[in-house]
Amino acid sequence: EDQVTQSPEALRLQEGESSSLNCSYTVSGLRGLFWYRQDPGKGPEFLFTLYSAGEEKEKERLKATLTKKESFLHITAPKPEDSATYLCAVQASQGAQKLVFGQGTRLTINP
Amino acid sequence: SQTIHQWPATLVQPVGSPLSLECTVEGTSNPNLYWYRQAAGRGLQLLFYSVGIGQISSEVPQNLSASRPQDRQFILSSKKLLLSDSGFYLCAWSISTYQPQHFGDGTRLSIL
Repeated sequence: EDQVTQSPEALRLQEGESSSLNCSYTVSGLRGLFWYRQDPGKGPEFLFTLYSAGEEKEKERLKATLTKKESFLHITAPKPEDSATYLCAVQASQGAQKLVFGQGTRLTINP
Repeated sequence: SQTIHQWPATLVQPVGSPLSLECTVEGTSNPNLYWYRQAAGRGLQLLFYSVGIGQISSEVPQNLSASRPQDRQFILSSKKLLLSDSGFYLCAWSISTYQPQHFGDGTRLSIL
């Protein structure tokens, strides 16, 4: 069964304090790994897609990386507006309509 | 650009009452459409998906059903709601199967 585990569940940082969020996965044939940002009471907002080990994507203060077993979302010099829940999801080659989501990491950036 | 609309944003319903949640997408043709449920403390769970008008696939046996009467309209329904149907319901679309899914802002459903 395809599974995604995100850690930590919650993370508090000071503004400017860089860190990383982890997404570990087991999937029978990875087709893609997706990162989303979700603000309270809103739907997830798409950030990145990663397709193969070694791939990296960047957007402003965020950088996502992928290995054969996990993905990291690196946050550099975060600002309070980066506070949100970050979700990771995998798409398998079989049953590709289904994204399997982790439970998310709730990130809080204190000013 | 493409946009997705869900309504209502919040809904409180008594047990045993019917349900109809609507989702529409603008700015694209023949999208894949999805219904997810996000329960408190749990990840998003895919309920239904559709690759075309009248084509519905169910991922999880449950008290809910879905329909796609028009190309860019997706409806989630129930004849009789259960307490366990409470949750945050999200509609999503994608250009094709292997492209990112884009979500609406959801409907918070509370069953009393």
